[in-house]
Amino acid sequence: QKEVEQNSGPLSVPEGAIASLNCTYSDRGSQSFFWYRQYSGKSPELIMFIYSNGDKEDGRFTAQLNKASQYVSLLIRDSQPSDSATYLCASAGGRRALTFGSGTRLQVQP
Amino acid sequence: DGGITQSPKYLFRKEGQNVTLSCEQNLNHDAMYWYRQDPGQGLRLIYYSQIVNDFQKGDIAEGYSVSREKKESFPLTVTSAQKNPTAFYLCASSILQGEAFFGQGTRLTVV
Repeated sequence: QKEVEQNSGPLSVPEGAIASLNCTYSDRGSQSFFWYRQYSGKSPELIMFIYSNGDKEDGRFTAQLNKASQYVSLLIRDSQPSDSATYLCASAGGRRALTFGSGTRLQVQP
Repeated sequence: DGGITQSPKYLFRKEGQNVTLSCEQNLNHDAMYWYRQDPGQGLRLIYYSQIVNDFQKGDIAEGYSVSREKKESFPLTVTSAQKNPTAFYLCASSILQGEAFFGQGTRLTVV
């Protein structure tokens, strides 16, 4: 079982819709969770991080964490074609290195 | 400018040759990481270091070596033992358990 799992997609949504990206993790010692966006051929860039159960909002993005279910999600409201990219979920905890899922490819249709 | 710098951007390696990828950060981060990314794939951890003069193997360390003699620097050597080194290599740094920031990556090709 991979430590961080994501559906590879592609997830296709129309412009203006809400995109919902999901991630599960296996290590209950994980304490910090991150969402990165990666455009093709570029390095990942941090979108959001979340440490506590519940929701965290930043502009059009909302991260959700449920430690009991070992589940992290990212909601993108009012999706734009420029949001089309691969979204990587990552976790960190203790002395373990930052661990990434394999990413979900999002396509926003104009 | 604070940041993390990888060089070179593109690198070509001949069969049987060792090459070294540079990674420097001026963010005063304790932790540094090397990841490999193959086309259409996620990031796989090669090596990481959480303190100077100490580093740990990741999931795919075979054929690679690293050093951490200075806090700012974490070079990666791709040795001739790595049989399929063509990939996109990403270096990152972070505070411990914090968000990681990435360099621009090095694209390595075997010729």
